Amino acid sequence: AQSVTQPDIHITVSEGASLELRCNYSYGATPYLFWYVQSPGQGLQLLLKYFSGDTLVQGIKGFEAEFKRSQSSFNLRKPSVHWSDAAEYFCAVGGGNKLVFGAGTILRVKS
Amino acid sequence: GAVVSQHPSRVICKSGTSVKIECRSLDFQATTMFWYRQFPKKSLMLMATSNEGSKATYEQGVEKDKFLINHASLTLSTLTVTSAHPEDSSFYICSASEGMGGELFFGEGSRLTVL
Repeated sequence: AQSVTQPDIHITVSEGASLELRCNYSYGATPYLFWYVQSPGQGLQLLLKYFSGDTLVQGIKGFEAEFKRSQSSFNLRKPSVHWSDAAEYFCAVGGGNKLVFGAGTILRVKS
Repeated sequence: GAVVSQHPSRVICKSGTSVKIECRSLDFQATTMFWYRQFPKKSLMLMATSNEGSKATYEQGVEKDKFLINHASLTLSTLTVTSAHPEDSSFYICSASEGMGGELFFGEGSRLTVL
């Protein structure tokens, strides 16, 4: 069965520091992988996605993620966090249009 | 990117009443729409997949008679929560794509509170 694990429920980083949000997945075939961001009371915005090809994927707002098949991971990174990045981040895996989401990681940014 | 809009963004209703939430694709035709439910501090749970002009496909454990989904046109899907109960209080999010394998675009979500 498909599943996504985001081990960190909360992460707090200082503004300007680097960020890595972890995501591990279980999927029977080659996965499609996604990272979404959700601000309070809002819907989800796609940050980036991996379908195939280069395993290092660039997204919006300076985010990137690396697909590592051997580790079944798709961790999200940003070299320098801004206060506006504070939100909840969801990793998702799927095929077609059906997505399975992780439980989310809440990012807090301290000044 | 494409825009998906939900209405209302917030709704409060009494137990036993029915509430309808609309999901519209504003600048594209959505052959497929998805309804998710998000519990506090938890992830999104897929409730059902709705295809224009046909019956929705519900995920295991989702009550079809309670959560009525209609996808009458290529730009509109509705979720009706019937005989609402306080445990139905949640954040409901829809998403839409132009076709299978297409990028999913999410609505802003609708927060339902049942008193």
